[in-house]
Amino acid sequence: EVQVVESGGVLIQPGGSLRLSCAASGFSVRDKYMSWVRQAPGKGLEWVSVLYSAGSTYYADSVKGRFTVSRDDSKNTLYLQIDSLRAEDTGVYYCATATGYPSTLDFWGQGTLVTV
Amino acid sequence: DIQMTQSPSSLSASVGDRVTITCRASQGISESLAWYQQKPGKAPKLLFYGASRLQTGVPSRFSGSGSGTDYIFTISSLQPEDFATYYCQQYYRSPVTFGGGTKVEIK
Repeated sequence: EVQVVESGGVLIQPGGSLRLSCAASGFSVRDKYMSWVRQAPGKGLEWVSVLYSAGSTYYADSVKGRFTVSRDDSKNTLYLQIDSLRAEDTGVYYCATATGYPSTLDFWGQGTLVTV
Repeated sequence: DIQMTQSPSSLSASVGDRVTITCRASQGISESLAWYQQKPGKAPKLLFYGASRLQTGVPSRFSGSGSGTDYIFTISSLQPEDFATYYCQQYYRSPVTFGGGTKVEIK
């Protein structure tokens, strides 16, 4: 069964840093295009970043230079490092699988809440 | 970036009603459009891809259509479990972008 579980969301002061994790099971993160999508409280969905299966990374302009996506194949886990946090970064962060980019986001985790 | 405009932003309907949501792209997206359902406190779930192709396991009361810049999502007979917010998403061009969502409330 495909499953992704996000963790690492916290209440944090502006300017701080944190790392979100997305632990996968039922598939290998290295075989998928893995995206992060966020949702501010009461708002819609905003794509944030993607990590290609080959290792390339892309980011939304709103987070470029502050967010870094990576993965640890041995732990089958995707990460999102967030630096220089701002109030507008507050929201639920989801990781989602895809077979390409740009593409549909096929399977999503339950999300982790970041409050700045 | 391609802007996606959904309407209405919310609607209230009775069980058994036909519900229609529209999504307009700021440029043609060649049916590279997906629809998602999100229930409160839950992750989004992919319902459609390619504008009209139903994801496995999605009930047939849901349908999608459209081309170019204009797309339609329909629930033919609304069920209580369809209470949710629905989002469209274009994947024609990077970055992928979402519509603002349509909240469907049951009368």
